[in-house]
Amino acid sequence: RKEVEQDPGPFNVPEGATVAFNCTYSNSASQSFFWYRQDCRKEPKLLMSVYSSGNEDGRFTAQLNRASQYISLLIRDSKLSDSATYLCVVSLISSGSARQLTFGSGTQLTVLP
Amino acid sequence: EAQVTQNPRYLITVTGKKLTVTCSQNMNHEYMSWYRQDPGLGLRQIYYSMNVEVTDKGDVPEGYKVSRKEKRNFPLILESPSPNQTSLYFCASSSISHTDTQYFGPGTRLTVL
Repeated sequence: RKEVEQDPGPFNVPEGATVAFNCTYSNSASQSFFWYRQDCRKEPKLLMSVYSSGNEDGRFTAQLNRASQYISLLIRDSKLSDSATYLCVVSLISSGSARQLTFGSGTQLTVLP
Repeated sequence: EAQVTQNPRYLITVTGKKLTVTCSQNMNHEYMSWYRQDPGLGLRQIYYSMNVEVTDKGDVPEGYKVSRKEKRNFPLILESPSPNQTSLYFCASSSISHTDTQYFGPGTRLTVL
């Protein structure tokens, strides 16, 4: 079983739609959670952190359920510019206090005009 | 401009011919790491470094070497490349207190024939 699992998609949605991505992680000791965004052939960039209480950044809402080891990302009013691959990321403290990131393989989103 | 640079961006080589991919960051970050990204597998960490002269293995270190002689540089060395090392490679850096938030270089697409 992969440590971080995501539905690879692709998700093809019309502009203005609401779309939700889910992610599950296997290590219950995971401490921090994130969504990164990766455009085609480009480097990943941090989109947002995910907190237990849930958090919102404009049209983006992230939720964490520690009991079910489940993370979600909701995008409202999708824009063409939201087309990208969304990576679910979890982190653990490893040796020397560094946090090691484990990446999901990503969910591909295409927003259609 | 704060950035992580990698060179070369694209490389086609043959089995067994030693190569080095350079990585440099100008943000005075202590933490640097190398990832490879393959379809369906997500990003997997190869090696990381918490500071000068301190390096450690990630999840997939076999066939790779790194060095950290200066804070800003973290080269990735393939002593004897093989076709299974054909991949997209990313270098990343972060401050030691915020290793959750990693800044990625633009990527190096390597093909080993």
